[in-house]
Amino acid sequence: DAGITQSPRHKVTETGTPVTLRCHQTENHRYMYWYRQDPGHGLRLIHYSYGVKDTDKGEVSDGYSVSRSKTEDFLLTLESATSSQTSVYFCAISLGAGGNNEQFFGPGTRLTVL
Amino acid sequence: AQSVTQPDIHITVSEGASLELRCNYSYGATPYLFWYVQSPGQGLQLLLKYFSGDTLVQGIKGFEAEFKRSQSSFNLRKPSVHWSDAAEYFCAVGYMDTGRRALTFGSGTRLQVQP
Repeated sequence: DAGITQSPRHKVTETGTPVTLRCHQTENHRYMYWYRQDPGHGLRLIHYSYGVKDTDKGEVSDGYSVSRSKTEDFLLTLESATSSQTSVYFCAISLGAGGNNEQFFGPGTRLTVL
Repeated sequence: AQSVTQPDIHITVSEGASLELRCNYSYGATPYLFWYVQSPGQGLQLLLKYFSGDTLVQGIKGFEAEFKRSQSSFNLRKPSVHWSDAAEYFCAVGYMDTGRRALTFGSGTRLQVQP
């Protein structure tokens, strides 16, 4: 299994509070991704990173920010959580860019916003 | 816009029966295609992938998939389903165009296996 951990694995928070999810990898892969998974939608890309301090938006980036200060860590922040951000969040990594690179997924974080 | 469609939200098969999960994509060029499986409470695991060459690809756990360009399809098959195959299956497509470095996923097909 790819060395990807996510923390916390479960979190319950209240509307309006900030939340930070962490993804940590031991594979030294350059590319990292944050997806959210919701019933009927599959996985949708929130943000991705193509190197330290290099990030870009995905298709559902509103309300989220990311940071990557080290190769191994990719943080996802909800500045002010809303109920619509209740979801399961997955981190993924890939060695290279482009669609021909397999992505490896972390175990996920289940976030509930009350 | 590129998209991936999995028309079957939920499928139930009997153990030992054959399985086919459908996946259609919309993309102008040759895509890179993937099937992932997600067991309950787990992350996604790659079953197989197609980049080029032989259009019938073999994966792990006895799964295979066939790329059919004329039908824009990449259906997943297994000749004999085991109870442990009960999970959710996602088809995904990747791209090589600049600025798009992630995968686009279908909405998933949940497989239930009856004894």
